[in-house]
Amino acid sequence: DIQMTQSPSSLPASLGERVTISCRASQGISNNLNWYQQKPDGTIKPLIYYTSNLQSGVPSRFSGSGSGTDYSLTISSLEPEDFAMYYCQQDASFPFTFGSGTKLEIK
Amino acid sequence: QVQLKESGPGLVQPSQTLSLTCTVSGLSLTSNSVSWIRQPPGKGLEWMGVIWSNGGTDYNSAIKSRLSISRDTSKSQVFLKMNSLQTEDTAMYFCARESSYILLGYWGQGVMVTVSS
Repeated sequence: DIQMTQSPSSLPASLGERVTISCRASQGISNNLNWYQQKPDGTIKPLIYYTSNLQSGVPSRFSGSGSGTDYSLTISSLEPEDFAMYYCQQDASFPFTFGSGTKLEIK
Repeated sequence: QVQLKESGPGLVQPSQTLSLTCTVSGLSLTSNSVSWIRQPPGKGLEWMGVIWSNGGTDYNSAIKSRLSISRDTSKSQVFLKMNSLQTEDTAMYFCARESSYILLGYWGQGVMVTVSS
């Protein structure tokens, strides 16, 4: 199985700040990397697919990049609704695996 | 509008079988896949398996021997059955439907399942 190592596990940040979350795969995943947001009420929605493509309706302050084994999610200027959990996920090979999550918290 | 809703028993006894239903509205199951994902309390997400638009299935090898995913296309329902439940199977169980570009494009709100005697 491909292991996904996500960092940091917790990220205190302020409104308007730029933040980056990292995700490293245990082997190359050829850009087959997606990002999800989970709100405190448990609701999960996709943000980015195939490394850098924004899901419909997702604000442009979200962006993704990476290649090979290293990927990242960047939020350019934090809004109040961005404080949530974030997960990366690979769908390059079965079983599809998730990172352990990053909790984006208000500083 | 695509909607998914999970349903099932909130409490299951150890060693018993879990049966969950995902009811999908908005699109045909013969056009899109549906996956099951679970999340133990306070922990991360685990992909469990998928039923593809053609009815084929793939499972997480860690639970493959205990898991079965099926569907009733006429009712737009996808079913999960997992046997030999243990306390570590206590989790929120989500179903998610494929969208144009991403396998887990639309998620249900989840159903909490507790395994306890």
